[in-house]
Amino acid sequence: DAGVTQSPTHLIKTRGQQVTLRCSPKSGHDTVSWYQQALGQGPQFIFQYYEEEERQRGNFPDRFSGHQFPNYSSELNVNALLLGDSALYLCASSWGDGTHTEAFFGQGTRLTVV
Amino acid sequence: GESVGLHLPTLSVQEGDNSIINCAYSNSASDYFIWYKQESGKGPQFIIDIRSNMDKRQGQRVTVLLNKTVKHLSLQIAATQPGDSAVYFCAEIPNTGNQFYFGTGTSLTVIP
Repeated sequence: DAGVTQSPTHLIKTRGQQVTLRCSPKSGHDTVSWYQQALGQGPQFIFQYYEEEERQRGNFPDRFSGHQFPNYSSELNVNALLLGDSALYLCASSWGDGTHTEAFFGQGTRLTVV
Repeated sequence: GESVGLHLPTLSVQEGDNSIINCAYSNSASDYFIWYKQESGKGPQFIIDIRSNMDKRQGQRVTVLLNKTVKHLSLQIAATQPGDSAVYFCAEIPNTGNQFYFGTGTSLTVIP
């Protein structure tokens, strides 16, 4: 079992650009959540996808969008990048509707905006 | 919004001693809690969870205690080892949704 895999592991972008991050959930999982973790902080919830739809969203602007594919993999897109978007982006997968079940995290994508 | 905080940002313990990491949460409606361990450059790793209908849960060398009266959560690590050095987060899951609310984290350093 490969667990949750994310790509790329590191990324450098210029302010104003757009970025796409990818996540493959753990085998058997169908729910994917995305988190942003700034340096020295705990992860902050961005949104969650289940059955290819955004089910819940945290306090993030519309520049942050996502998608879930029929194979349950997911993408996180961020438009008009700001310096403050520099962070570790984590993907977490879980089973079912994701309610109150353990979530497994990937190793994250380190995004640096310059 | 939710608020999950930790009492101590850093903790140093001698190898072999027991460690206690504390966490306060703000939403009395939260009914599921998880402790995660995060090593440098890695994603959070599940340690142990507890539901609000329990006060205590034990795993391998770890125990989680939940005090709903004062909205406090603790993680006890027995016989702490150098491999336990990491940042530990508590996560709170309200019964109104599926998102995890994480605290800032406690950095545990084990001194050989």
